[in-house]
Amino acid sequence: TQLLEQSPQFLSIQEGENLTVYCNSSSVFSSLQWYRQEPGEGPVLLVTVVTGGEVKKLKRLTFQFGDARKDSSLHITAAQPGDTGLYLCAGADKIIFGKGTRLHILP
Amino acid sequence: ETGVTQTPRHLVMGMTNKKSLKCEQHLGHNAMYWYKQSAKKPLELMFVYSLEERVENNSVPSRFSPECPNSSHLFLHLHTLQPEDSALYLCASSHSPGQGAVGYTFGSGTRLTVV
Repeated sequence: TQLLEQSPQFLSIQEGENLTVYCNSSSVFSSLQWYRQEPGEGPVLLVTVVTGGEVKKLKRLTFQFGDARKDSSLHITAAQPGDTGLYLCAGADKIIFGKGTRLHILP
Repeated sequence: ETGVTQTPRHLVMGMTNKKSLKCEQHLGHNAMYWYKQSAKKPLELMFVYSLEERVENNSVPSRFSPECPNSSHLFLHLHTLQPEDSALYLCASSHSPGQGAVGYTFGSGTRLTVV
């Protein structure tokens, strides 16, 4: 069974700080996706990473896919209150999701 | 506007009631999904429809009954639910089940409370 483990489960930091959250698996994925979900809403796709070692940037967000395509990280630079939300990673092969990292940015 | 619309946004129902959740997409996608999101659990895939045919049913209790009359509409019929069925029910769509790398578009969900 493919599983995606996300860490940390919860993270609360001050505005302006940097942070990294992780998505790990023992299985190889052809691609991984990151979503952000705000309270009362559905998840919104941020990025899809496909190639091992790939790095994608979305403004202050940097996504990396591990060389072995088993893990991914999301780094946020100079976090802002608008970054608050639940960050989910998802494996595209079997449509599975991790439990997510709940991020809270304090103003 | 996410492209996937779910109604109602909130629903409170008794254990003996029958209700239906509705999902509509006009993105031209061929695959539609029902997910259940409970606290402290990963998103749980319930049903997958591709071109109106059910292609996956993840051991969901029969008190949940999906219906996909066409590629733009998806329903989840509910009857004799249990309190533990209280959750956020999310509908999603994608170009096809085999093209997950393109990403899923989710609706805003229906917050269901069973009393």
